[in-house]
Amino acid sequence: DAMVIQNPRYQVTQFGKPVTLSCSQTLNHNVMYWYQQKSSQAPKLLFHYYDKDFNNEADTPDNFQSRRPNTSFCFLDIRSPGLGDAAMYLCATSTLAGGETQYFGPGTRLLVL
Amino acid sequence: DQQVKQNSPSLSVQEGRISILNCDYTNSMFDYFLWYKKYPAEGPTFLISISSIKDKNEDGRFTVFLNKSAKHLSLHIVPSQPGDSAVYFCASTGNAGGTSYGKLTFGQGTILTVHP
Repeated sequence: DAMVIQNPRYQVTQFGKPVTLSCSQTLNHNVMYWYQQKSSQAPKLLFHYYDKDFNNEADTPDNFQSRRPNTSFCFLDIRSPGLGDAAMYLCATSTLAGGETQYFGPGTRLLVL
Repeated sequence: DQQVKQNSPSLSVQEGRISILNCDYTNSMFDYFLWYKKYPAEGPTFLISISSIKDKNEDGRFTVFLNKSAKHLSLHIVPSQPGDSAVYFCASTGNAGGTSYGKLTFGQGTILTVHP
């Protein structure tokens, strides 16, 4: 089955210790997105890639970086996690033409101690 | 500045009855609206959408209504089933971002519980 996979599903890190979340897709979609969702809040777009073209949201903190080495994989790097970065991180993909219909992975729940 | 709002955090409905989930938006540039459903431990999955040129779109038990003048959309589920119990997110997109692909703005979600 074509899908969006996120690893790990749960990640515990220490305050200030860099952490990397990964996302892979078998849909061969051009566009990949990273969202942050805090408890009872709306998913918030952090950035997205159109192929290798990186697009950062204006209010995404510098602490968050991303890499997309190829079509299938995308990584979210949090350079110095703070307690406020504890959240669910959702990866999604879409085609160029059908960008409104996004396909989501199950998410990675990040806990910062 | 929350451009998409779902003012009801939760909704409880009896099986077989109608579920109505509501969503309001403020950005008049939004021209496409979607509903996503999310089960625990899974990512959101696309449910139904509507373009601003329409005021209704129906897919089986699910109907989305759009009132552009009120900047309001709603999702009707008839009849509701226990398997519909999930979190429902509305989302909007438009040309305000100047991109050719979708940047979705989500509401905060409504937890629907359908009781047998």
